[in-house]
Amino acid sequence: DGGITQSPKYLFRKEGQNVTLSCEQNLNHDAMYWYRQDPGQGLRLIYYSQIVNDFQKGDIAEGYSVSREKKESFPLTVTSAQKNPTAFYLCAVGQGPNTDTQYFGPGTRLTVL
Amino acid sequence: GENVEQHPSTLSVQEGDSAVIKCTYSDSASNYFPWYKQELGKRPQLIIDIRSNVGEKKDQRIAVTLNKTAKHFSLHITETQPEDSAVYFCAAFFSGGYNKLIFGAGTRLAVHP
Repeated sequence: DGGITQSPKYLFRKEGQNVTLSCEQNLNHDAMYWYRQDPGQGLRLIYYSQIVNDFQKGDIAEGYSVSREKKESFPLTVTSAQKNPTAFYLCAVGQGPNTDTQYFGPGTRLTVL
Repeated sequence: GENVEQHPSTLSVQEGDSAVIKCTYSDSASNYFPWYKQELGKRPQLIIDIRSNVGEKKDQRIAVTLNKTAKHFSLHITETQPEDSAVYFCAAFFSGGYNKLIFGAGTRLAVHP
């Protein structure tokens, strides 16, 4: 998981703004995932992509959008439609479709002011 | 739908004692069960995993057992140390077209010197 980077580490957003969280990997893995973690809570899946130019909604996709134009990059945009975006956002990568082991990036902590 | 339940939510032990965390899953087709350790403010780290063709797996002081019939699996930590204090998450891999991990809500383990 040392080959997974997320930026920024901390992000502050005003209400009504869209923000984009970066996730980059140099592991040459096909699958990438975005999770949201609220304080004292588990991990909830927002979006995932098992191959370039393809992605699927997870359990809490409303108010978020993603793209997967390159294998190494899977940015997440938190839109103004997400009513309660303050959370810890974790990106994960896996080796590919039908491969289950996932490794996490260091995370981005988003706070809405 | 797919679901993973984890118990207990908090666990407090004395240094040197054993700790056991239990999870149950809903989909009998699940075939991969990882455990992650998350220290405060850090990313979840994969510590051990087990596949459905194996009943038990050990790695030094940690072990995982799987009972496919009962659809539950457990994490066992022996000779606990203060550095074992963290939140532990279990997960189950659900396939059938969507191929994703579903996480339990987490167990906060405190090891007291």
